[in-house]
This record gives sequence, structure tokens and C-alpha cells, in this order.
Amino acid sequence: AQSVTQLDSHVSVSEGTPVLLRCNYSSSYSPSLFWYVQHPNKGLQLLLKYTSAATLVKGINGFEAEFKKSETSFHLTKPSAHMSDAAEYFCVVKPGTYKYIFGTGTRLKVLA
Amino acid sequence: NAGVTQTPKFRILKIGQSMTLQCTQDMNHNYMYWYRQDPGMGLKLIYYSVGAGITDKGEVPNGYNVSRSTTEDFPLRLELAAPSQTSVYFCASSYTAGTASGNTIYFGEGSWLTVV
Repeated sequence: AQSVTQLDSHVSVSEGTPVLLRCNYSSSYSPSLFWYVQHPNKGLQLLLKYTSAATLVKGINGFEAEFKKSETSFHLTKPSAHMSDAAEYFCVVKPGTYKYIFGTGTRLKVLA
Repeated sequence: NAGVTQTPKFRILKIGQSMTLQCTQDMNHNYMYWYRQDPGMGLKLIYYSVGAGITDKGEVPNGYNVSRSTTEDFPLRLELAAPSQTSVYFCASSYTAGTASGNTIYFGEGSWLTVV
């Protein structure tokens, strides 16, 4: 069965320090993987996606993620957090034609 | 550059009332979806549609109905509202051809529904 697990429900970092949001997936197929960001009272916006090309994927706002098949992971990173990065982040796996499976989200807090 | 548009943004319903959440997309996407988002639970699929005239149940369809008469529109109907339907609802769309993967799903801004 396909699933996605976000290992931390809350992450706090200081402004200017690195961000690491962890995601593990389970899929019988070679999946597509996405990270979305949701700011308060807003919809979900695509940060980046992996579709079996380069394993290191660069997204918007300085975020990137690395697909590691051996570890079934797709962790999201950013070298230096900004106050505007405070939001909820969702890891999403798309194992097939139409179905998108969402993680339960990680709320990122950025401290001044 | 509208993308996915859903209305209303906020609504308070009384128990037993009915309402329709409207959703329209202007990207000519074949797939459309309705999700609900509850705190700490991620997004759960209510219904989806693969094209005009074709809909199917997702994970949590009870208490809801949908229709897809055009490519652009995918309304969600709540019949006999219950407190358990208090949630944030998101309409979304994507373009998928055959077994192609990697297609981005685009979301509306959300509809906050409270049933009292």
C-alpha cells in the first residue's frame, strides 16, 4: 500500500539557520513526489516535485529536496530560514494515475 | 490567471441545512478533486472526477455529492449538514493523460465551513 509519513508535526528553527523537514514514503511503483506549502488561511502551493529525473530537486524560495530511493525518503531542506517560511508543509506522493496521498503536515515555526 | 476558484470562502450552516460549494478551473484540466482538511489529519479525498460526466468516491464520501457537467465546474453538495462536516474544503485540479505521473495538482484557496 502507498503511504507517506512526515516525521515531525512541528519544527522550530531560528531565522537564518537551516531547515530540515523529513518525509518518508512507501510505494509499490516509482512514484512522483511533491512538497507543498500552505500559509494560514490559504490554499496549497507547489514548492517542488520529483518525477524520476534528477534526484536533487530545486524549488521556489530556496527550498530543495533529495530523492533517496534506498531510504525511501524525500526530505525538504533550505540553507537559511526566513520569517516568511513559517507555514505548514505537506509531502505528497503520487503513485499512479490520479491519486495523490498527503502527509499529515509539518508546521514550521521561525523564531526571530 | 485565475487557476482554481472556489466559493464561498466562509460559511456557517445549521445542522440539517444543505449547501453547495462551487468550484471552477480555467486550465482545461481533466481531473478535478474535492478534499477536506482537518487539523493534524492532512487532506482526505472526498470525491474526484476524471472528466465531464464521470465522478467517483474518494476516502470520505459519506454526506456529500458531486456532479461534473462541464470540464470547468465541479460543485460539491452537502446534504443534511452535520457537525462532523465542519472542516476546510479544497477543490483541486490536474491534467493527467494515461498513466503519466508527475502532474502537478493545483488548489483553490479553500472554503471554511462550520456546522452548528
